[in-house]
Amino acid sequence: AQRVTQPEKLLSVFKGAPVELKCNYSYSGSPELFWYVQYSRQRLQLLLRHISRESIKGFTADLNKGETSFHLKKPFAQEEDSAMYYCALSYSGGSNYKLTFGKGTLLTVNP
Amino acid sequence: EPEVTQTPSHQVTQMGQEVILRCVPISNHLYFYWYRQILGQKVEFLVSFYNNEISEKSEIFDDQFSVERPDGSNFTLKIRSTKLEDSAMYFCASSITGTGDYGYTFGSGTRLTVV
Repeated sequence: AQRVTQPEKLLSVFKGAPVELKCNYSYSGSPELFWYVQYSRQRLQLLLRHISRESIKGFTADLNKGETSFHLKKPFAQEEDSAMYYCALSYSGGSNYKLTFGKGTLLTVNP
Repeated sequence: EPEVTQTPSHQVTQMGQEVILRCVPISNHLYFYWYRQILGQKVEFLVSFYNNEISEKSEIFDDQFSVERPDGSNFTLKIRSTKLEDSAMYFCASSITGTGDYGYTFGSGTRLTVV
């Protein structure tokens, strides 16, 4: 069965420090992975998708199939990065694709 | 940038009452979804909808739940007889493709409180 694991519920760093939010997945097929961000009281916003290999707001994520990981990284955290981050896997469990989410990591960037 | 719009933002209802949560997906998207997030828990898939019919539903989506696209723009989630445990944030999402290649766009959610 497909599963997404975010081992850290809370992560606190200082401004300017590097940050890494961990995500591991379990899926027998070819994974489509995403990072979503949810700022306080706002909607879930797509941050990254692995197939595009893009960098958004300084964040990057590399799919490591050997380690089944899709960790989110940023070299220098900013206060405005404080938010809830969800790793998600798009999979087909029947006739359609859908997302399964990790439990999320609350990132706090302190001044 | 196009958005998925959800109304109301907050709904309080008494146990046993029917509620309808409304969503307007992005106009050129073809796949529609409902997810929910119980406070403190992860976001969970409820149902996907394509070509005017349910394409997939989770175990959570029992006979008390139904979805409809009544007029080609709105996408609604109805809970027939609400229970306390239905209290959650409900997110609507839409995507261009069924595989999510371009991501899924989420609405801002409806917070449902059942009292």
